[in-house]
Amino acid sequence: RKEVEQDPGPFNVPEGATVAFNCTYSNSASQSFFWYRQDCRKEPKLLMSVYSSGNEDGRFTAQLNRASQYISLLIRDSKLSDSATYLCVVNPHDKLIFGSGTRLLVRP
Amino acid sequence: DTGVSQDPRHKITKRGQNVTFRCDPISEHNRLYWYRQTLGQGPEFLTYFQNEAQLEKSRLLSDRFSAERPKGSFSTLEIQRTEQGDSAMYLCASSETDWNEQFFGPGTRLTVL
Repeated sequence: RKEVEQDPGPFNVPEGATVAFNCTYSNSASQSFFWYRQDCRKEPKLLMSVYSSGNEDGRFTAQLNRASQYISLLIRDSKLSDSATYLCVVNPHDKLIFGSGTRLLVRP
Repeated sequence: DTGVSQDPRHKITKRGQNVTFRCDPISEHNRLYWYRQTLGQGPEFLTYFQNEAQLEKSRLLSDRFSAERPKGSFSTLEIQRTEQGDSAMYLCASSETDWNEQFFGPGTRLTVL
């Protein structure tokens, strides 16, 4: 079993749609959590950190459920520029453990 | 540009050859990480440095792989006797501490023929 599991997608949605991604992680000792975005043939870039209380950054909302070891990302009012792969990431200690990513395609 | 830089961006080599990649982290960052990413997968941790000390190596890092960060600034990753299975994107990242955001370089794409 992978340490971080995500639905690979692709999620194909129209502009303006709301889309949600989920991931689960296996290491209960994980201390910090992130969503990274990766465009095709580019390096990963931090989208947002994820906190137990939930956090929002514009159209993006992230939630963490430590009891269920579950992380989510909600994107509202999708834009064409949101098309990318979204990587769920946990940090048990000293290194990042990445999921395989969920691919999002936003169509006109 | 004060971000993480990597050199070369692309490397094509024949099986059995040795290759060396370089990473220059953000200047005030103490931590430097190496990851490997293959198509359709997320990056996989290889090793990391706190200043010049190599503190952890993944079991993915076989004896053919060696990494150094001699002066606590730039780092090199060497692969000896390359195999076709080594073909991947090699990513370097740096951070201030272990809990801070890691900033990634553009990667070195290795193709072993």
